[in-house]
Amino acid sequence: DTAVSQTPKYLVTQMGNDKSIKCEQNLGHDTMYWYKQDSKKFLKIMFSYNNKELIINETVPNRFSPKSPDKAHLNLHINSLELGDSAVYFCASSQGGTTNTGELFFGEGSRLTVL
Amino acid sequence: ELKVEQNPLFLSMQEGKNYTIYCNYSTTSDRLYWYRQDPGKSLESLFVLLSNGAVKQEGRLMASLDTKARLSTLHITAAVHDLSATYFCAVDSLTGNQFYFGTGTSLTVIP
Repeated sequence: DTAVSQTPKYLVTQMGNDKSIKCEQNLGHDTMYWYKQDSKKFLKIMFSYNNKELIINETVPNRFSPKSPDKAHLNLHINSLELGDSAVYFCASSQGGTTNTGELFFGEGSRLTVL
Repeated sequence: ELKVEQNPLFLSMQEGKNYTIYCNYSTTSDRLYWYRQDPGKSLESLFVLLSNGAVKQEGRLMASLDTKARLSTLHITAAVHDLSATYFCAVDSLTGNQFYFGTGTSLTVIP
């Protein structure tokens, strides 16, 4: 049973299109994240949701809109895709609080290629 | 924004040798994490360091944390080819729920 699952794993699309990536975690964690990993492997946090509320938006263009219907799901919708959006997008989850280690558990990643 | 720097960015070493990867961060934090990423794969948790002076070991890898110096190290002992991967450190800021990753160290172990 996959702990953090993302779909789709691969996305190839044209500039200007809109696409979504879905993420689900079955770990019972309170916090979920989206990270972007570029071609140089730099990992940059995009969004963090804690119990369905947005707690980080790290200067991400407003073409990116996260949606969390419940604490087990965090989806990422991207409008008007640009070439620079090509990257691998990772979903992750963690359980905060002083009694937990707080480590991140990652999904398998979704590789987005914009042509 | 919290800054996390790793060095070296690239490391090529021969099997059997020892080496250390360094991770410096810019603000106070008691929590530091090390991850491994194989090419085309996700990130796998290696170590969780939750206090000053914490040391964890798994096989040929040992991680330590000095929160006063804002420094963590990942030491590789007698490297083997299977350790070839990219290694990331990550810091959880004191406000919580904000993980910032280092630049990554791409390790290649040559037979």
